[in-house]
Amino acid sequence: GENVEQHPSTLSVQEGDSAVIKCTYSDSASNYFPWYKQELGKRPQLIIDIRSNVGEKKDQRIAVTLNKTAKHFSLHITETQPEDSAVYFCAASRAGNMLTFGGGTRLMVKP
Amino acid sequence: DSGVTQTPKHLITATGQRVTLRCSPRSGDLSVYWYQQSLDQGLQFLIQYYNGEERAKGNILERFSAQQFPDLHSELNLSSLELGDSALYFCASSVGVAGVTGELFFGEGSRLTVL
Repeated sequence: GENVEQHPSTLSVQEGDSAVIKCTYSDSASNYFPWYKQELGKRPQLIIDIRSNVGEKKDQRIAVTLNKTAKHFSLHITETQPEDSAVYFCAASRAGNMLTFGGGTRLMVKP
Repeated sequence: DSGVTQTPKHLITATGQRVTLRCSPRSGDLSVYWYQQSLDQGLQFLIQYYNGEERAKGNILERFSAQQFPDLHSELNLSSLELGDSALYFCASSVGVAGVTGELFFGEGSRLTVL
C-alpha cells in the first residue's frame, strides 16, 4: 500500500517568513495530493490539492509543487501570519483508493 | 461547518466499558471514514464504508467495529476500553472515494477519555 512520509515534524518561523513542508510517497500510481490544515482542537480542513497532471498550483499565499519522478510534493506558505499556526497534513492516493496521510507538521509562526 | 455531524462531542468512561460514536455524513456523500487521532499524533485510518459496504480497513483493533446503515449514517463501536484508547475520533465523508471525487470532509470529532 501507499506510505507517505512528512518532514519536518515541527517548524518554527518568524512572521513574514516562508515555510516549506515536504512529503514523499511510495506508490508511483498515486495521482491525487491534498493538504489539510488542522487548527488546535479543530477538524482538519482541505487548503489546497494537486493532481499528477499538474506540476504546481497556487492559491494566494500557499502553493504546492509536485515532482512525480522523485515522488515528492511540497507545501509552500509565503508571508506567514500567526493564523497560519496549525498542524498541516499531506496525503496521497491513487484513483479509487483511500487517502494515506503523512504524520503531520506542527507549524508555529512567531509574531 | 463541514456538514458532517458527530455525536457525542465529548465522552468520559471507564476502562472495560463500551461506547458508540455516531456520524452523519454530508447530504449526498456515500463514503464514510473513521480516523483516530491520539494526543499530538497523526490521523490513523481505521475503516471506510461506501454505500453500506466495508471498503477498506486500516489498523483497527479487534475490539473496535463499525457499520454504515441504509440511511448512510455510521457508528463506531469501541469495546473493552483501555486507557490507550483515549483519543479524538474523527469521521469524514466524501461523495465517492476521496481522491477520485475530491475533498474529504471531516466532522468536529468525538473526544473519548478513558479513565
